[in-house]
Amino acid sequence: NAGVTQTPKFQVLKTGQSMTLQCAQDMNHEYMSWYRQDPGMGLRLIHYSVGAGITDQGEVPNGYNVSRSTTEDFPLRLLSAAPSQTSVYFCASSREYGARDTQYFGPGTRLTVL
Amino acid sequence: LAKTTQPISMDSYEGQEVNITCSHNNIATNDYITWYQQFPSQGPRFIIQGYKTKVTNEVASLFIPADRKSSTLSLPRVSLSDTAVYYCLVGGSSASKIIFGSGTRLSIRP
Repeated sequence: NAGVTQTPKFQVLKTGQSMTLQCAQDMNHEYMSWYRQDPGMGLRLIHYSVGAGITDQGEVPNGYNVSRSTTEDFPLRLLSAAPSQTSVYFCASSREYGARDTQYFGPGTRLTVL
Repeated sequence: LAKTTQPISMDSYEGQEVNITCSHNNIATNDYITWYQQFPSQGPRFIIQGYKTKVTNEVASLFIPADRKSSTLSLPRVSLSDTAVYYCLVGGSSASKIIFGSGTRLSIRP
């Protein structure tokens, strides 16, 4: 199993541009989520999904959209990039939702918005 | 997900035992306590999980007192490679939002 994969690894955007961060998992996990991590800070939950077709907002959803058309994929869209969205983005998945299940994280995407 | 409080940072030396305590006063009956470790430039990874008393694996031990309002992650004989951020999560199977918080930044010196 590849586990949780994320593309791209690095990305530089200009203010106002849009882009999609890709996340995929091959473990048939129902629960997927996106976090952002600013330098020296903890993880903040952006959006999550408890299954295909079901998504919900986390702590910091503004400026981001998600969709979950398949179990495997959970893309994160930046609608109009802003410098405040410069961060490292991590995707995670678990077999089921709930804090009891182990969260598996991808390697992250480092995004810089100029 | 129960609110947790843990120290922002800790320092120790190679070969020492390190104990990181997490407070979770409003833990619910069905909640489990889970610890994750995050190395620089990587996503967090699962270390250990417990419900009560003591749990031990090849990496760490987790001590949970009878009232379950706190828990202590114990790392035996740490090395430089244990330098990381450690997160304490408290929640059960019904928690749909997994909130990690700020974690404890552990620095190990030679």
